[in-house]
Amino acid sequence: NAGVTQTPKFRILKIGQSMTLQCTQDMNHNYMYWYRQDPGMGLKLIYYSVGAGITDKGEVPNGYNVSRSTTEDFPLRLELAAPSQTSVYFCASSYSKDYGYTFGSGTRLTVV
Amino acid sequence: GENVEQHPSTLSVQEGDSAVIKCTYSDSASNYFPWYKQELGKRPQLIIDIRSNVGEKKDQRIAVTLNKTAKHFSLHITETQPEDSAVYFCAATGFGNEKLTFGTGTRLTIIP
Repeated sequence: NAGVTQTPKFRILKIGQSMTLQCTQDMNHNYMYWYRQDPGMGLKLIYYSVGAGITDKGEVPNGYNVSRSTTEDFPLRLELAAPSQTSVYFCASSYSKDYGYTFGSGTRLTVV
Repeated sequence: GENVEQHPSTLSVQEGDSAVIKCTYSDSASNYFPWYKQELGKRPQLIIDIRSNVGEKKDQRIAVTLNKTAKHFSLHITETQPEDSAVYFCAATGFGNEKLTFGTGTRLTIIP
């Protein structure tokens, strides 16, 4: 099992550009989550999904969009990148809401 | 919604001594309490968890205790080693929540 796979690992974007962060899991988990972590800080929830076709906002959704067309994939879309979106982005999945999360290795994004 | 407070924010411990990190939660319906360890530059990883029907759980040098009446839970690390240096996050979730609420993290430093 690969677990949770995120691509790319690193990316530099110019202000105003767009990109999609990819996340896929092979554990057949229904629950998937996107977090951002600024340097030296905690985890902030951007969006989450409890199953294919269902998504919901977390605490910091502005500037991002998600989709969940399959159980395996949960891509995060950044539109019109801004310097404030410079961060490390973690995708996670779990069997259900009260089971441990498995995190991907993260995407380090810099917006210049 | 759920609110999780974590203390202390930083903790330095002599190698071989014990370390204790405490978290309080607000929602009395919360029933799942995991702890994550994040080493520098790495992803968060689940190290231990406890459910509300259990008061204490141990796994080698780490243990978690839960006091439902006081709504707090703690992580205990005994015989600390240099590889225990990391940021530790507590979290909680319960009835009506589809996601974990994370604490703000504790940076643990083991002094050789």
